Amino acid sequence: KQEVTQIPAALSVPEGENLVLNCSFTDSAIYNLQWFRQDPGKGLTSLLLIQSSQREQTSGRLNASLDKSSGRSTLYIAASQPGDSATYLCAIHETLVGGADGLTFGKGTHLIIQP
Amino acid sequence: EAQVTQNPRYLITVTGKKLTVTCSQNMNHEYMSWYRQDPGLGLRQIYYSMNVEVTDKGDVPEGYKVSRKEKRNFPLILESPSPNQTSLYFCASSHRDRAGTSGNEQFFGPGTRLTVL
Repeated sequence: KQEVTQIPAALSVPEGENLVLNCSFTDSAIYNLQWFRQDPGKGLTSLLLIQSSQREQTSGRLNASLDKSSGRSTLYIAASQPGDSATYLCAIHETLVGGADGLTFGKGTHLIIQP
Repeated sequence: EAQVTQNPRYLITVTGKKLTVTCSQNMNHEYMSWYRQDPGLGLRQIYYSMNVEVTDKGDVPEGYKVSRKEKRNFPLILESPSPNQTSLYFCASSHRDRAGTSGNEQFFGPGTRLTVL
C-alpha cells in the first residue's frame, strides 16, 4: 500500500511570497494524484487533480506537478495571501478490490501566511 | 449547487447508543465512500460503494456499517459506538465513467464531528 509523506508538516511565510509544498509517495504505479485544502472545522476542498499521464496542472495561482518516476508531487502557490492559510493535503488515487477508487492521504502541510 | 452534504455536523453521544450519519450527493456520482480523520493518523477510508447495492470495506471498517439503497445516499451506521470512534468523519463521492475508470476527482462533504463518551 502507498505511503504518502508531506514535507514540511508546517510552514509560515510572509504574504506575497511564492512557496512550494512537497508530497512524496512510495509506489510510482499511481492512478492519479489530487491536492486538497482543509480549513479549520471545515471539509476538504479539491484544488487540483493530476492524472497519471500528466506532468502538471494549473488553476489560478496554483500549479501542481507530478513526477511519477521519482515519486514526487509539488504544489506551487504564487503570490501567497492570508486567505491561503489552511492545511494542504496530497492524496494518491489507488485501485481497490473490484476496481474501486481509494485515496491514500498524506498527513498534510499546515500553512500560515502572515499579513 | 453541486455538493456532498452530511448530517449531523456535530454529534455527542454515549457508548452503545446506535447512531446514523447521513450522506447525500446531488451529482449523480456512482462512487461514494467514508473516511475518518484523526490527529497524527490522517484520513483513513472506512467503507466505499461503487454503485447501488455494492459496498466494500476500506482500511478501518471495524465497528461500522453502511448501506447503499439509493444512488444519492450513503449512510454510515455505528451500531454500538465506542470512545475510540470519536473522530471527524467525511463522506466523499466521484463519478465513474462507462469504462469504469477510477481516479476521478473526489468531492468531500463538510464533515461530521462525533464524540462518544
